[in-house]
Formats: sequence, C-alpha cells, structure tokens
Amino acid sequence: EPEVTQTPSHQVTQMGQEVILRCVPISNHLYFYWYRQILGQKVEFLVSFYNNEISEKSEIFDDQFSVERPDGSNFTLKIRSTKLEDSAMYFCASSKDRGTETQYFGPGTRLLVL
Amino acid sequence: KNEVEQSPQNLTAQEGEFITINCSYSVGISALHWLQQHPGGGIVSLFMLSSGKKKHGRLIATINIQEKHSSLHITASHPRDSAVYICAGGGETSGSRLTFGEGTQLTVNP
Repeated sequence: EPEVTQTPSHQVTQMGQEVILRCVPISNHLYFYWYRQILGQKVEFLVSFYNNEISEKSEIFDDQFSVERPDGSNFTLKIRSTKLEDSAMYFCASSKDRGTETQYFGPGTRLLVL
Repeated sequence: KNEVEQSPQNLTAQEGEFITINCSYSVGISALHWLQQHPGGGIVSLFMLSSGKKKHGRLIATINIQEKHSSLHITASHPRDSAVYICAGGGETSGSRLTFGEGTQLTVNP
C-alpha cells in the first residue's frame, strides 16, 4: 500500500542552524501538508501546498519557514534559523483533494533544537 | 476561528468494553476526521466523515451535522486499541487545513 515517507526520523541541531525536513508524498496525491506537534500538545497546521505553491499557511509559518517541491516526488520544509521552540515532531501529509479528503500522514521527523 | 473539542481527555477501560469518544466542532468545518496516534508518534487516519456513519471492523464513527457532533465507538475493546484518538476538522472555511482536537488517551487493560 502506498505510504508517505519522511527523512530523517530524528534530527538534532544547534539553535540558529538551518534544517531541511524531507517528505515523499503518495505519488498520485495533489495536496501536501506540514503539521507539527510540540511534546505534550496537540497537532498544529503549518502549511498546505498545491500546484507548486502555498495554498494556505498558519500564523506559525513565518519567514523562518519555507516549503518546496524541488522535483516530482520530494516535498521539503526548511527552517532557516532554528529556535529552541521549534523542537517538535513534524508530520508531512498528503491527500488527493483538499480538506474533505482523507489525509495520509508520514511517520514524522522528531526535531530537537539545542 | 475553527475549533474542535474532544472528550474525555483520558479513558481507561477493561478489555471487551464498549468505548465512546466524543467530538464537537465549530461552524465552518464540513468534514470530520478521526485519527489514531500510536505511542511512537505515528498518525493513522481512521475515518473521514461528512455525514452519516462509517464502520471499519470494530470501529464505528458517526456524525450529526445539525448538532456539530461526532463520536468514535470501539466495540469489544482490546489492549492493542490503546492509543491516542484524535478528531480533526477540515473543509469549507478551513480550506485544506485540519484543525485538531487535544486527543483522547485510551488505555485498555487486559
């Protein structure tokens, strides 16, 4: 069964460093998402992406964040200058259509900023 | 602002019990998703509902659009059902984003 994959599974970085989290969505899906979950808190929406551009973003998704689909398969989240409060689990998801369709989640990348 | 509220926050049951988790959501949400989060953190989509009822194995999800309320039921619960169950709202004014509830930590004891 097709699945969303994410790499790396864990990343430890120093405050101020740039990180790139990678995702491979399900191949025939058109909508891609990034969510994050700070330890002990609920999952929060960051950004959605469709047709090679951002379709929606939350107030969390500030200028430090960017997303890209560099080729036909990968979908990346870049954090330019990490802060301690960026430590969280980051989930990528994909769906065939927008919010009324099932979203399939990747296993997550656990980011720790020291 | 779209909101989703779940209850209870924690639920402990004995194996075999019938379990219900509830979710209320705000205007602007037209589709309600039920998700399961495993102890390792992975999230699995269980159901997406915009009306009526869906069943998959021992899991049943219902939605009442007028009351903006959804329930997830687990029949004949088993220790392997222990996980966090999350409802999330999407569609209409929320666009493509999902708005998540706090989650219900379910523990099923043998």
